[in-house]
Amino acid sequence: NAGVTQTPKFRVLKTGQSMTLLCAQDMNHEYMYWYRQDPGMGLRLIHYSVGEGTTAKGEVPDGYNVSRLKKQNFLLGLESAAPSQTSVYFCASSPYHGAPFTDTQYFGPGTRLTVL
Amino acid sequence: KNEVEQSPQNLTAQEGEFITINCSYSVGISALHWLQQHPGGGIVSLFMLSSGKKKHGRLIATINIQEKHSSLHITASHPRDSAVYICAGKPIIQGAQKLVFGQGTRLTINP
Repeated sequence: NAGVTQTPKFRVLKTGQSMTLLCAQDMNHEYMYWYRQDPGMGLRLIHYSVGEGTTAKGEVPDGYNVSRLKKQNFLLGLESAAPSQTSVYFCASSPYHGAPFTDTQYFGPGTRLTVL
Repeated sequence: KNEVEQSPQNLTAQEGEFITINCSYSVGISALHWLQQHPGGGIVSLFMLSSGKKKHGRLIATINIQEKHSSLHITASHPRDSAVYICAGKPIIQGAQKLVFGQGTRLTINP
């Protein structure tokens, strides 16, 4: 099993450009999450999903959109990138054994995004 | 003051030493996670606890829900244990669908 994969691994954007980050998991997990990690800020939740076709806002959702059309994929979109969105983005998934955030999370390798 | 505080922030030790990293939280939580972030950036979940103690190899995690405290112990530490260790709690406040993360403890094990 590949576990959780993220595409791309690195990306440089100019302000105002758009892009989509893809997260895929092959563990049949119900829950999926998008986090960003910034120096001195730790990990912060952007959006999460409790199942196919569902999404919910996390702590820092502004400027991002998400979709979960297939259970195995969770897409994070930036419609108009800003320098403040320069960060490392991590996707994670967890199985349905209870409520979200209460079981082991499996993380992807991360995407390093720079917005100039 | 952060809702989740880790100590120490930085820890340097010699190979073989017994390591303890502490995590204290000010909000009630239903679950606590310990994560390891490697120097290359990858994140691995080590433990998820809601009570008591868990052991995996040389790693032991304990939690006292009433005292709002958790510890991560590493026995017979090795240079490959060098990483940032992060604790994160799931608040029990109704509607709080998130994890509250500590700032991390940077551990360096010298040979």
